[in-house]
Formats: sequence, C-alpha cells, structure tokens
Amino acid sequence: AQTVTQSQPEMSVQEAETVTLSCTYDTSESDYYLFWYKQPPSRQMILVIRQEAYKQQNATENRFSVNFQKAAKSFSLKISDSQLGDAAMYFCAYGKVAAGGTSYGKLTFGQGTILTVHP
Amino acid sequence: GAVVSQHPSWVICKSGTSVKIECRSLDFQATTMFWYRQFPKQSLMLMATSNEGSKATYEQGVEKDKFLINHASLTLSTLTVTSAHPEDSSFYICSALSGSGQRTYTFGSGTRLTVV
Repeated sequence: AQTVTQSQPEMSVQEAETVTLSCTYDTSESDYYLFWYKQPPSRQMILVIRQEAYKQQNATENRFSVNFQKAAKSFSLKISDSQLGDAAMYFCAYGKVAAGGTSYGKLTFGQGTILTVHP
Repeated sequence: GAVVSQHPSWVICKSGTSVKIECRSLDFQATTMFWYRQFPKQSLMLMATSNEGSKATYEQGVEKDKFLINHASLTLSTLTVTSAHPEDSSFYICSALSGSGQRTYTFGSGTRLTVV
C-alpha cells in the first residue's frame, strides 16, 4: 500500500521569505500523480500543484514549485515570496494512474503541515 | 473550473437522529465520489468511495450501516449518518473525480457535524 509522510507538523516563515515543506512517499508503482493541497481556515481544499511521475521536469505554479526526486521518493513544496494568505495546512497526496495516464482511485494523504506566515 | 457544492455547511443534531449530507457536481459529471472525515488539525481519512450506480466501497473500520452512501446520479452523492452519536461529530468532506479529459479531484467545502 502507498504511504505518504510529512515529517514537519508545523512550519513558520516570514512574509516575503521562502519556505520548503517536505513530503516523502512509498510506492511500488512506476507511474503516479503527486499533489500538494492547501487547506486554509475555511477548510476548503485547494489544489496547489500537481506532478506526474513520468515527467522529469518539476512542476511550477507562480510562487509555488516542487522538487520531485523520484528515486528518493521525495516531493517537497517550495513557496517563494510567502504571503499572509499562504497560511494554511498543507497536504501532500499520492494518486494512482490508470491505463492511458489518467487519474483514478483514491488519494492517499500525508499527515499535513501547518504553515504560519509572520508579517 | 469544476465546482462541487456540499450542503449543509454545518449541522447540529440530537443524538439518535440521522443527518444527510449532499454533494453535487455543478458543471461536470462525477463518476466517482470520495467521502472523507477530518478531525481538527489532522489529515483526511477516507471513509468510502462510490461510483455512480454502484454500491460504495468502504474503508476498513468504517461502519457501512452507519454511514450510508448513495450515488444515484452522475451529479449527486449523499452521505447519511444514521443514529448519530457525539463521537460522530466531525468535519466531513466529499471529493469528486471528473469522468473525462484531464481528470481532477474537486473537493466540496465540507460539513461540520455536531451531535449533541
């Protein structure tokens, strides 16, 4: 079974600074998806970034980027120029891939990291 | 983008009563719906997976007779907590997987259930 581990229960960062959230996973599959979700105080789950395992290039979305190390099974999230609105709980998640390359099945979530942004 | 509407956003019910939570996909067909439970500052725990027109698949340890899931159409899935007790108080979230194209997981806004 797949497992996802976030070893940092809490992290803090100063506004405008950069912070990196860690995530490791365990799987025997060669193709899969990895996600970072943000859950602000409203508790609405928001997709931050998505990475297909077959792609060597790291995904980026504006101030958010990942460092995907497939061999090490590591998938960290870097937030640059942190803003007060980035304060939230962040979840790393693993998703299976069906034939044809589409997502299917349940997501496996990590324990989450609470990010605090100081003004 | 895709939107999943979840209602109610919060509900308080008496112990022993049943509560129904609805999730509707507003602009896409949700072939698969996932139901999660989340305690404060903890991760999402998958309760069950439902496919339209089929019986839900429950995770180990989840009482299927207590948490009834119905996915009768491609746009509506419901979770009914039967004979609710205070220990069922939690935050419940649904997530829909779209059926075609680049499939994405879209989450509802969640329901805070308090059983008194």
